[in-house]
This record gives sequence, C-alpha cells and structure tokens, in this order.
Amino acid sequence: NAGVTQTPKFRILKIGQSMTLQCTQDMNHNYMYWYRQDPGMGLKLIYYSVGAGITDKGEVPNGYNVSRSTTEDFPLRLELAAPSQTSVYFCASIPSFANTGELFFGEGSRLTVL
Amino acid sequence: DQQVKQNSPSLSVQEGRISILNCDYTNSMFDYFLWYKKYPAEGPTFLISISSIKDKNEDGRFTVFLNKSAKHLSLHIVPSQPGDSAVYFCAASPSNTDKLIFGTGTRLQVFP
Repeated sequence: NAGVTQTPKFRILKIGQSMTLQCTQDMNHNYMYWYRQDPGMGLKLIYYSVGAGITDKGEVPNGYNVSRSTTEDFPLRLELAAPSQTSVYFCASIPSFANTGELFFGEGSRLTVL
Repeated sequence: DQQVKQNSPSLSVQEGRISILNCDYTNSMFDYFLWYKKYPAEGPTFLISISSIKDKNEDGRFTVFLNKSAKHLSLHIVPSQPGDSAVYFCAASPSNTDKLIFGTGTRLQVFP
C-alpha cells in the first residue's frame, strides 16, 4: 500500500525556472492538501482540494498553482521560482474532513531555489 | 499571524520521565485539535486528537489536555522513551472548514 507518493524527493532550481511537484494517493481520498515547512515556522497550508475539479487557497498560495483533474493526483506548480520558495513541501490526503483532521502525509519534497 | 503557537522550540527529557509539550491558540473558532509527530526525512504522522467538547483524551502513554478558557492544549508523554525523540506539531481545525492550521513545532529529545 503506497499511500501518498511525492516526486521528486529533492530538486534544485534556478531563480525564474518552473517546475511541478507531483503528488498521488492510492487510497481514494477525496481531500488533498499541500503544505510547506520552513525552519521554525511549522507547516503552512498552500492549497487544498475537496475533490476532483475543486481547489482552494490556503494560508500561503502566492507563487503557486494547483489542479485536481483526478481523485488520485494533486500536482503543485511553481511558475517562477524564487529563493523564498526554498522549503520542504508535503502533500497530504484524507477520505473526508468531518473534523477528524487525521491527514496522511507523503515523505516530502525538498526544493532549493538558487 | 501565527494562530497556533508552540513557544518552546525544543525540549530535553530523561528516559522514563514525563514529557509535556505545550500549544496555545488564538482563534476561538477552533473546535478540533490534533498532535502530529515527525521524524527526520519523513512526513508527519497523526498521534492523538481532542474535540473541543472534551478536556482530556488518552491513548496509551499519550494524553492530550485542552483548556478552552485559556486557549491552551498540552501533550503529556509518560513514560518518555528514546523512540519518542521527534518534532511534535500541534494543529487545529476551525469549525466548518476543511483544513488544519499547524503550530511551529517542538523538538523533543529523550535521552537515556
């Protein structure tokens, strides 16, 4: 059972480059989330989706875009990478929220922008 | 604006003793609270939760206490074990939303 899979695990980007962080889950979960973790700042919500075709902004959406064309996949797009986007990115999913909040997280993608 | 705060970045406890991790929040609309545990190079994993209608929830060595009037929750680990060494995040969910707001984390080190 793979759970939540993120690719790539590590990536170095130059300022201004674009890339997509991939996230896929095989648990048929409706809700998916992208968080970033900066040192001393905890986890900040970037975007989330409550189902295919539905996305919404979180706390720190600027500089990112998402799409949700299938239940399984929730890619995160960085259009013009900036040093401030150097972070560890986590994708997470849950069957439905229903105030349980027990998210299943991927292992993370470490992104460095130079 | 940090709505969920963990004011202690780190905590060091001897094996067998109690570990107490604290978390404060500012939003009175939070009605569900959780603790997650994170090891290096891994994603966070769910540990324990509590609804705002309760003031205590226990699961084995882990107990979470909620003080709504003080907007404060704490995680007690008794007895602490070296395998508990990790970063602990508290998180809160505003009512009628589908998202979690996380704190900044506390790094717990349990030494022999």
